[in-house]
Order: sequence, then C-alpha cells, then structure tokens
Amino acid sequence: GENVEQHPSTLSVQEGDSAVIKCTYSDSASNYFPWYKQELGKRPQLIIDIRSNVGEKKDQRIAVTLNKTAKHFSLHITETQPEDSAVYFCAAWDQGGKLIFGQGTELSVKP
Amino acid sequence: DAGVIQSPRHEVTEMGQEVTLRCKPISGHDYLFWYRQTMMRGLELLIYFNNNVPIDDSGMPEDRFSAKMPNASFSTLKIQPSEPRDSAVYFCASSLSRENTEAFFGQGTRLTVV
Repeated sequence: GENVEQHPSTLSVQEGDSAVIKCTYSDSASNYFPWYKQELGKRPQLIIDIRSNVGEKKDQRIAVTLNKTAKHFSLHITETQPEDSAVYFCAAWDQGGKLIFGQGTELSVKP
Repeated sequence: DAGVIQSPRHEVTEMGQEVTLRCKPISGHDYLFWYRQTMMRGLELLIYFNNNVPIDDSGMPEDRFSAKMPNASFSTLKIQPSEPRDSAVYFCASSLSRENTEAFFGQGTRLTVV
C-alpha cells in the first residue's frame, strides 16, 4: 500500500525567510496530494493541493511542486510569518481511495 | 452544513472499559475516514468507508477496535476493552463521492485511558 515519508520533522526559520517541506510517496498510481496545516489543539485543515497532471500550483505565499517521476512533492512557504507556525502534513490519495499522511513537520517561525 | 461533527470532544475512561466514539459526516459525502493521532505515530489511518461500506480496515490495530457505519450520516469507532496505550486524539474525516477531493476533519475526540 501507499507509504508517505515527510522531512524534516521540525523546522525553525526567521520571520520573512522561506520554508520548504518535502515528501515522497511509494504508490505510482497515487494522483492527488493535499497539504494540511494543524494548529495546536485544532483539527487539520487543507491549505493547498495538487493533482498528478500538474507540476506546480501557487496560492499567494504558498506553493506546491510535484515530480511524478521521482514520486516527490514539496511545500514552499515564502515570507513566513509567526502565524505560519503549526504542524504541516503532506498526504497522498491513492486510486484505491486511501488517504495516507506523512509524519508531519513542526514549523516554528521566530519573530 | 455544520461540518464533520464528532462526539464526545473529550473522554476519560478506566482501563478495561468500552469506549464509543461517534461521527456525523458532512451531508452528501460518501467517504468517511477514521484516524488516530499520537506524537509518536502521527496521523494513522484506521479504517475508511465508501457509501457506508468498510473498504480497508488494515490500519485497525487490534481486534479490540471495531467501526461501523449503519447509514450515510453516522459512524462509530468502538474500543473494547480499552487500554492506556489507546490514549490519543481520534479524528473522523469525510469527503465527496468522487476521489481526490478535500477531506474535511472533525474536531476530534481526545481519549485518555487511565
């Protein structure tokens, strides 16, 4: 079945810097890759997603890239702000209908 | 729609007791997922349903865990008997009938087994 690996597990950046989180997946049939943000004590919420027929997608300060050949996708946050501090999860939705999450990255943005 | 609704929000129980967690998915959503979140293991998929039918329960840790979805608007996750290592936050999520769409999470149930 699908396996999703996420790195790094923790990331600390200065306000205004960029942050990059990387994920790999194992099932080449997977075709949908969402990213979720989870603030302390709250539920995970979708921030951006990408489908397998697209290589890159942007939404203001966040962007996601997908390399299907390498089975690799990444989240990029530019001009980070303290409110970006949270745990970020990548996920892969395989053709069988399973939505599998990576282990999470705790992002800390220092003012 | 009020979103995915889970109950209770918090549950404290003694080891050996039965625990039942409840979930009401968003109306019209055909996929329902149960996840367990811990610091050590992250977000683990326990089981998911499509049109009320359990499709994959390979993530259910032991026979002590069971899940049902008797209709499109209700699902339960039961642990019997509960153990301290079951302590975690349990999330329910739902998504639309077609695959590859956003999964919406409930607020979660924080379970503590003492």
